[in-house]
Amino acid sequence: DSGVTQTPKHLITATGQRVTLRCSPRSGDLSVYWYQQSLDQGLQFLIQYYNGEERAKGNILERFSAQQFPDLHSELNLSSLELGDSALYFCASSPPDRGAGANVLTFGAGSRLTVL
Amino acid sequence: AQSVAQPEDQVNVAEGNPLTVKCTYSVSGNPYLFWYVQYPNRGLQFLLKYITGDNLVKGSYGFEAEFNKSQTSFHLKKPSALVSDSALYFCAVRDSVTGGGNKLTFGTGTQLKVEL
Repeated sequence: DSGVTQTPKHLITATGQRVTLRCSPRSGDLSVYWYQQSLDQGLQFLIQYYNGEERAKGNILERFSAQQFPDLHSELNLSSLELGDSALYFCASSPPDRGAGANVLTFGAGSRLTVL
Repeated sequence: AQSVAQPEDQVNVAEGNPLTVKCTYSVSGNPYLFWYVQYPNRGLQFLLKYITGDNLVKGSYGFEAEFNKSQTSFHLKKPSALVSDSALYFCAVRDSVTGGGNKLTFGTGTQLKVEL
């Protein structure tokens, strides 16, 4: 167990629907990152939050949004789902910027999304 | 933009033999380099990192990596491979330029297969 908790583990839904993926970071970590892993695109960085604020943005579609709450858990919202959104979505967390291990990301087990 | 390249989709090695998984990088500024491993249906696990200092970095499970600035490479190595090392290995880079968060850019991954 990495300490990063992601729910749900598996999710099957239909095109056009909306889903929410949830992530609880390791205790003490302030940053949360979202990545998408698919066979054709590999591991793609989506977005990073640090202590509730957006820190960096990657290849995140406009149909996707995320936020980090005061208790530091994060949610990734995916709307108007398309077949191509089927992928494994990973959350990762890292310690405060100047803390030990600040550069090391710890990953959760992922949420597998299947869009039919 | 920062990037890493893993030129081999798959590496096959016999148990007990040394293994090398190749990675080259491209960044502006000094690179922060990482290796992660992914077992089936699991999240990515941190193996080792290079930030500064000795060019030979030792990590988990007997793995090590050699940073070569002139060749912009960061190859992962292990003196004696085990069947249990069979997994998907990712090289990643974080640009040391501040303001971009701690996000990592991952390579496409190399499948390592260790056979008896």
